[in-house]
Amino acid sequence: DGGITQSPKYLFRKEGQNVTLSCEQNLNHDAMYWYRQDPGQGLRLIYYSQIVNDFQKGDIAEGYSVSREKKESFPLTVTSAQKNPTAFYLCASRKVGTEAFFGQGTRLTVV
Amino acid sequence: EDKVVQSPLSLVVHEGDTVTLNCSYEVTNFRSLLWYKQEKKAPTFLFMLTSSGIEKKSGRLSSILDKKELFSILNITATQTGDSAIYLCAGILNFGNEKLTFGTGTRLTIIP
Repeated sequence: DGGITQSPKYLFRKEGQNVTLSCEQNLNHDAMYWYRQDPGQGLRLIYYSQIVNDFQKGDIAEGYSVSREKKESFPLTVTSAQKNPTAFYLCASRKVGTEAFFGQGTRLTVV
Repeated sequence: EDKVVQSPLSLVVHEGDTVTLNCSYEVTNFRSLLWYKQEKKAPTFLFMLTSSGIEKKSGRLSSILDKKELFSILNITATQTGDSAIYLCAGILNFGNEKLTFGTGTRLTIIP
């Protein structure tokens, strides 16, 4: 089945650790996105990528990093520089001119 | 800076009421506006609007775009408890740039 898969669903991080969230799509979409959602809030854009080997900062990129080495994959690393990483993270992909499709999200908690 | 603003932030109505959710945007070069419904995890797509004045409908939901006044509305008639969700508006706000910017969302609660 075509779709977008995020893993893991739940992730616990100790303070000072880097963690990587996975996002894979088999929809042949060029554009991919990472969003952060805090309780009761909308989606804030962290990073996005329009093509392989290229990505741009979104509105809240500090403390995060990404790579886009393959069209299908857009992993997000939450670094120790992100002071308040506890949140729900959503990955999306889209073909230019169409709507975005979302993964089921990863809930990250700092312990 | 490109911006998408939604109002109200939250809304509580009784089942059967009609609601109107608002989305305005400040852009450099507008391309398209999208509406999503989020119940638990992944937002689900409702509408994509690119042309002004053309209403899109799906059952009890409808949406329209006003490119001159830079806003869109989402209407839900005869609301049901299953319509309770966060409704998100997003814009592709620049030509040649696929940045997809979301608003803060409207939390809609339907009381039986």
